Amino acid sequence: QKEVEQNSGPLSVPEGAIASLNCTYSDRGSQSFFWYRQYSGKSPELIMSIYSNGDKEDGRFTAQLNKASQYVSLLIRDSQPSDSATYLCAVNYKLSFGAGTTVTVRA
Amino acid sequence: EPEVTQTPSHQVTQMGQEVILRCVPISNHLYFYWYRQILGQKVEFLVSFYNNEISEKSEIFDDQFSVERPDGSNFTLKIRSTKLEDSAMYFCASRERSSYNSPLHFGNGTRLTVT
Repeated sequence: QKEVEQNSGPLSVPEGAIASLNCTYSDRGSQSFFWYRQYSGKSPELIMSIYSNGDKEDGRFTAQLNKASQYVSLLIRDSQPSDSATYLCAVNYKLSFGAGTTVTVRA
Repeated sequence: EPEVTQTPSHQVTQMGQEVILRCVPISNHLYFYWYRQILGQKVEFLVSFYNNEISEKSEIFDDQFSVERPDGSNFTLKIRSTKLEDSAMYFCASRERSSYNSPLHFGNGTRLTVT
């Protein structure tokens, strides 16, 4: 079983819509969860971190964590073409990464 | 804003040659990491380093790899005898504290091409 699994996508959404990204993890003892954005050929850029169950909002981004279900998600509201990138879910301080979900926002 | 810097941005080497990838972590950070990303694949943890020694390493980090902090600012990854499959983006990262909620800051990466 992979440590961190994400829908591989690609996910295509129209500009202004909500993009919904999902991630599951295998280590029930995991304490920290991160969403990174990675543009092609660039390094991962941290956009959200979440440590406790529930929702955490930061601008147009909302992260949701459910430890009982070992599930973390990211919502991107009012999607913009500049949000087109690969979104990486990462777990724990050492960062076990998922394979990423590629998002394309259509203008 | 302080950032992690990596040099060179692109390194081309022949199979069997040694390469050294260089990183300057953020100045007040104490924990350092190397990750790699083979083209089209996920980011993979290689090694973590604290207090001048390796704190954790992955299965990928075999005897061909080594890390060093030769002075107060640089953090290097050495690959002794490169193989074709070492071709990848290598990312250096650093964090201020070891706690789980201390964010990791990535450098821009070095693209290593082994021919």
